Amino acid sequence: EAQVTQNPRYLITVTGKKLTVTCSQNMNHEYMSWYRQDPGLGLRQIYYSMNVEVTDKGDVPEGYKVSRKEKRNFPLILESPSPNQTSLYFCASSQTSVNTGELFFGEGSRLTVL
Amino acid sequence: AQSVTQPDIHITVSEGASLELRCNYSYGATPYLFWYVQSPGQGLQLLLKYFSGDTLVQGIKGFEAEFKRSQSSFNLRKPSVHWSDAAEYFCAACSGNTPLVFGKGTRLSVIA
Repeated sequence: EAQVTQNPRYLITVTGKKLTVTCSQNMNHEYMSWYRQDPGLGLRQIYYSMNVEVTDKGDVPEGYKVSRKEKRNFPLILESPSPNQTSLYFCASSQTSVNTGELFFGEGSRLTVL
Repeated sequence: AQSVTQPDIHITVSEGASLELRCNYSYGATPYLFWYVQSPGQGLQLLLKYFSGDTLVQGIKGFEAEFKRSQSSFNLRKPSVHWSDAAEYFCAACSGNTPLVFGKGTRLSVIA
């Protein structure tokens, strides 16, 4: 089954404790992206990747890192999480490196930073 | 700046009634346009898309959307709403190689 898989789905952590949210897709997609969803703000893009070893900042990259060492994986790293990073995070992928907007989304990772 | 606006934060409709969700965009040229749906606890799923051509596009789950260049709009419609349509709906747009921009979403509630 074609899917985007995120882990963990739920996480409660404390300020400053590094964490990684993994994202993996099995569709051989070139394009991958991370979004955060907050009430009243919709979805905002954090980082995206057009292909392996190519990453770019989205609208809200501060406090986050990403890497794209393999085509299928695109982990989101919070080096020193803060409470304002409490949010619902979505990973998404698309077949082509040109962003046509036809994204496949994971089920989301709800992160709480205390 | 490129933007997508969904004027309605929350809409409530009766089951069986018709539905229209509004979306306006602000882009230099006609962008690619999309509607996504997010059911509770789920990720987003593509409902339909418009790239060019026929301005009335059909999607999954009985939804359709009409592109109106003169109004910079791409409104989503459904003739008869089912209780299972209760969800959050996002309009989105992108142009060429620019990242997808989402509206802030419209939450749809369906009452009996």
